[in-house]
Amino acid sequence: SQTIHQWPATLVQPVGSPLSLECTVEGTSNPNLYWYRQAAGRGLQLLFYSVGIGQISSEVPQNLSASRPQDRQFILSSKKLLLSDSGFYLCAWTGGYGYGYTFGSGTRLTVV
Amino acid sequence: KQEVTQIPAALSVPEGENLVLNCSFTDSAIYNLQWFRQDPGKGLTSLLLIQSSQREQTSGRLNASLDKSSGRSTLYIAASQPGDSATYLCAVSKNAGGTSYGKLTFGQGTILTVHP
Repeated sequence: SQTIHQWPATLVQPVGSPLSLECTVEGTSNPNLYWYRQAAGRGLQLLFYSVGIGQISSEVPQNLSASRPQDRQFILSSKKLLLSDSGFYLCAWTGGYGYGYTFGSGTRLTVV
Repeated sequence: KQEVTQIPAALSVPEGENLVLNCSFTDSAIYNLQWFRQDPGKGLTSLLLIQSSQREQTSGRLNASLDKSSGRSTLYIAASQPGDSATYLCAVSKNAGGTSYGKLTFGQGTILTVHP
């Protein structure tokens, strides 16, 4: 069966520090991968998606970047965090059209 | 631009009631509609997936319907229990093309509280 792993679960980082969040999927190949952010009291916002290794599309210009170094690995990064980067970050995957989306357990990021 | 609206924003009911959560979307050119549950501080758990060619899906006490032409979906929860308390999110995925490739657009959610 397919599983999605996301870590860390919580993270407290000072303003200006770097960020690296990792997401991996098991039990499938060539998944479509997504990073979403859920800010307090707001809905889910798509940040990045990837349809293959090295292929990254950005939905919203911001202080973050994403990379997909391996087929089932998706990384969310920042060189210098801002207070506004605080939120709940969720990784998701889907097998493509006709398939549902599966979400990871999320990372709670607090920038102080 | 696809917009998804969920009504009501919050719902508080006594245990045992049957209830209906509503979801509407502005662009009927969707591929799938998916209902999720989110517990406080947790990730999203998929409840039901309805493909655009389907009218409804059922899982246990849950039943979701889809009327694509009118841009509406309902999630029916039978015999509600305190353990059903959570935020319920409706999301639609759009057909292929440009930056809309396979992305989900979410509603703001319905916060459900079932009290004993």
